[in-house]
Amino acid sequence: NAGVTQTPKFRVLKTGQSMTLLCAQDMNHEYMYWYRQDPGMGLRLIHYSVGEGTTAKGEVPDGYNVSRLKKQNFLLGLESAAPSQTSVYFCASRRGETEAFFGQGTRLTVV
Amino acid sequence: AQSVTQLDSHVSVSEGTPVLLRCNYSSSYSPSLFWYVQHPNKGLQLLLKYTSAATLVKGINGFEAEFKKSETSFHLTKPSAHMSDAAEYFCVVRYGSSNTGKLIFGQGTTLQVKP
Repeated sequence: NAGVTQTPKFRVLKTGQSMTLLCAQDMNHEYMYWYRQDPGMGLRLIHYSVGEGTTAKGEVPDGYNVSRLKKQNFLLGLESAAPSQTSVYFCASRRGETEAFFGQGTRLTVV
Repeated sequence: AQSVTQLDSHVSVSEGTPVLLRCNYSSSYSPSLFWYVQHPNKGLQLLLKYTSAATLVKGINGFEAEFKKSETSFHLTKPSAHMSDAAEYFCVVRYGSSNTGKLIFGQGTTLQVKP
């Protein structure tokens, strides 16, 4: 049972490049989340999904897009990366009243 | 707006002394509350959770938290700190029914444990 898996674990982008972060969960969870973690700011919610085919904006959605075409996968896209998007990104999933389970994070640097 | 506030950004204790990490949430119907711990360069691990059962919740590694509706608080405590407790701690709230979806994090508290 792999839980929540994020791909890739590290990435360096040049300003203006695009990329997609993949989150995969094998627990049949309905809810999935993308957060970014920056020093002194905790984890801030970027986008989330309450089920396959649905997405919603979180606290800091600008500059990001997401898709949930399959229940087990939640993709986070950066169309034109900016240095302000340098951060550690965490994906999480949960079902019903359970707690959220987190991936190990993706460290993204935009130069 | 839905929010959660961790009152201390940094807490320093000596090994063997009690730990208190404070968390307040904005009042709302039926919140669920969680504490997570993050060790350096690691992911997040659940310490404990409150989901409207007993107000005193026991978690892993000797931690516990008490839900106080009148004070809108969910403070995390441990009777005796261990060096391995040094980490960042996050208070997390989920408002309303499970269908609401959002999980909101506090800003985090860094716990330092001195020998």
